[in-house]
Amino acid sequence: QVQLQESGPGLVKPSETLSLTCTVSGGSISSYYWSWIRRPPGKGLEWIGHVYNSGSTNYAPSLKSRVTISLDSSKNQFSLRLSSVTAADTAVYYCARDLSMDVWGQGTTVTVSS
Amino acid sequence: SYVLTQPPSVSVAPGKTARITCGGDNIGSKSVHWFQQKPGQAPVVVIYYDSDRPSGIPARFSGSNSGGTATLTITRVDAGDEADYFCQVWDNGYDHVVFGGGTKLTVL
Repeated sequence: QVQLQESGPGLVKPSETLSLTCTVSGGSISSYYWSWIRRPPGKGLEWIGHVYNSGSTNYAPSLKSRVTISLDSSKNQFSLRLSSVTAADTAVYYCARDLSMDVWGQGTTVTVSS
Repeated sequence: SYVLTQPPSVSVAPGKTARITCGGDNIGSKSVHWFQQKPGQAPVVVIYYDSDRPSGIPARFSGSNSGGTATLTITRVDAGDEADYFCQVWDNGYDHVVFGGGTKLTVL
């Protein structure tokens, strides 16, 4: 069955760019929407944005100026870049498949601190 | 932008029925998905497209969406159902996904 796995640095300095990759195994990335979601400590789930198999993207309005999500079909991966991070971006970051989010990665903790 | 409203907490005795609501403007015109998240684990979809149940999810979990409110119903609740529950929709007016604030289900 399809599995997702997030990867990337667990610690990012303030003002720098957070970069994460989600690797899709057991299925092709060439269909569906592919999302990034996060959960800050003590708060609820927050949708960051998604990329469709065509490469088109949609982003959360509150993050749109800082977010880029891209797709690499040759590697069956999609990626998140979040620029100018602050402590408020500290969270567990998840990747998920499709609008119904029927498959999730296990999540990766990212801490923003100097 | 679109807002989904959930009660922060719901408490229920073991063996009883829990109902978690999700309110939003004209929510009946949207497809609602429900997620269960236990501490230290990734979310799991328990109901999608208002009332469909993914394979592996017990029949005790059901969903409805009418009258301005979407509802997740869990019958014969047990301690293993304690978790945070989130509703979610695709707001096609603004082309983005929206989550409700989440409901903490406590089994007494």
